[in-house]
Amino acid sequence: AQSVAQPEDQVNVAEGNPLTVKCTYSVSGNPYLFWYVQYPNRGLQFLLKYITGDNLVKGSYGFEAEFNKSQTSFHLKKPSALVSDSALYFCAVRDRTAGNKLTFGGGTRVLVKP
Amino acid sequence: ETGVTQTPRHLVMGMTNKKSLKCEQHLGHNAMYWYKQSAKKPLELMFVYSLEERVENNSVPSRFSPECPNSSHLFLHLHTLQPEDSALYLCASSQDSLYGYTFGSGTRLTVV
Repeated sequence: AQSVAQPEDQVNVAEGNPLTVKCTYSVSGNPYLFWYVQYPNRGLQFLLKYITGDNLVKGSYGFEAEFNKSQTSFHLKKPSALVSDSALYFCAVRDRTAGNKLTFGGGTRVLVKP
Repeated sequence: ETGVTQTPRHLVMGMTNKKSLKCEQHLGHNAMYWYKQSAKKPLELMFVYSLEERVENNSVPSRFSPECPNSSHLFLHLHTLQPEDSALYLCASSQDSLYGYTFGSGTRLTVV
């Protein structure tokens, strides 16, 4: 079975400060990992993914995430947050041996204050 | 536009009405999904279709009835809904999860 945990329901950060959204996962094999962002009344938009290779993955809008196998984590980061980054963020995992199904975390709401 | 189109964007229906939600993708994907998103449960997987065959039904009440007539279209038929069914209904598609899912913008459903 595969699972994802996003331990923080909400993250508050001041504009210009670093932003981190935490994600840990559990799979039986090697994972594919994804981050999605959702703005109000919209669908989820793909931000970035880790499939293989370099543990530091760069994605859209200046976001990046670091795959840490020993800690089974895939935290999302942005060096300098913008007010427009305020949204709901979802981490997702797929076990490479478990077919097409993605398992999503519960989401973390990010609020960036001016 | 993501390539996955959901209609209508907003729907208000009474508890005795029958309505349908539509999802369309022309990305060549072979799997489609319905999710329910509400304040209580951020993302709740309802149904999964792979190659037009329903492969997963997560204990969804029978008042929700999915239909996948071909690989590009997915419907969610609604009848005798309850107010607690009010939510954002999201459709997604995928070809291979190497690329993850592509989501539509959702249908905001209000049951009155």
